Amino acid sequence: DAGITQSPRHKVTETGTPVTLRCHQTENHRYMYWYRQDPGHGLRLIHYSYGVKDTDKGEVSDGYSVSRSKTEDFLLTLESATSSQTSVYFCAISFHGGDSAYEQYFGPGTRLTVT
Amino acid sequence: SQQGEEDPQALSIQEGENATMNCSYKTSINNLQWYRQNSGRGLVHLILIRSNEREKHSGRLRVTLDTSKKSSSLLITASRAADTASYFCATVVLNDYKLSFGAGTTVTVRA
Repeated sequence: DAGITQSPRHKVTETGTPVTLRCHQTENHRYMYWYRQDPGHGLRLIHYSYGVKDTDKGEVSDGYSVSRSKTEDFLLTLESATSSQTSVYFCAISFHGGDSAYEQYFGPGTRLTVT
Repeated sequence: SQQGEEDPQALSIQEGENATMNCSYKTSINNLQWYRQNSGRGLVHLILIRSNEREKHSGRLRVTLDTSKKSSSLLITASRAADTASYFCATVVLNDYKLSFGAGTTVTVRA
């Protein structure tokens, strides 16, 4: 995996508790993304970042917030976890320049279960 | 909503056979990408084809793009057990850089 780590890798939490997932990259890439993957839906974009402190919403952003205070770290927070947020969460990074056209490199994923 | 839709949803083939899967999309694109996901792992980028390209090869992979039909195909030749995975197409639309993924094709290669 291209210098991308996610923590924790597995988490079980109760409904109503806050949860923060961390994505860390060592590639110094500008763009970072958070996706969720659910059966039958492929990957759906939650939030993304195009630079430090520059973030925007994806297609399924309700109930999630993000922060990026450093190039290497992108945090995803579930303010008050619900059972519908049980999913596998993937972080990805990309850059654009030269021959690159925004191909993305993915972390190993975090499996989150909300009980 | 998803930009790309893969077909078929699942595919089972014998080792050594070819596997073909298709992707259709809705709006004009800058490029289309294919990714592989092994069970329990993150996605891995396989190949990218730009909107002005019609065909691209990488090892045993062949990708075609027909922008008039808004469709792409991924061919895996001489399949191996290690090709067992889910395959996703993803598009980058014009004037954007985010990817929009389809739901994927699950390929099982039988020994």
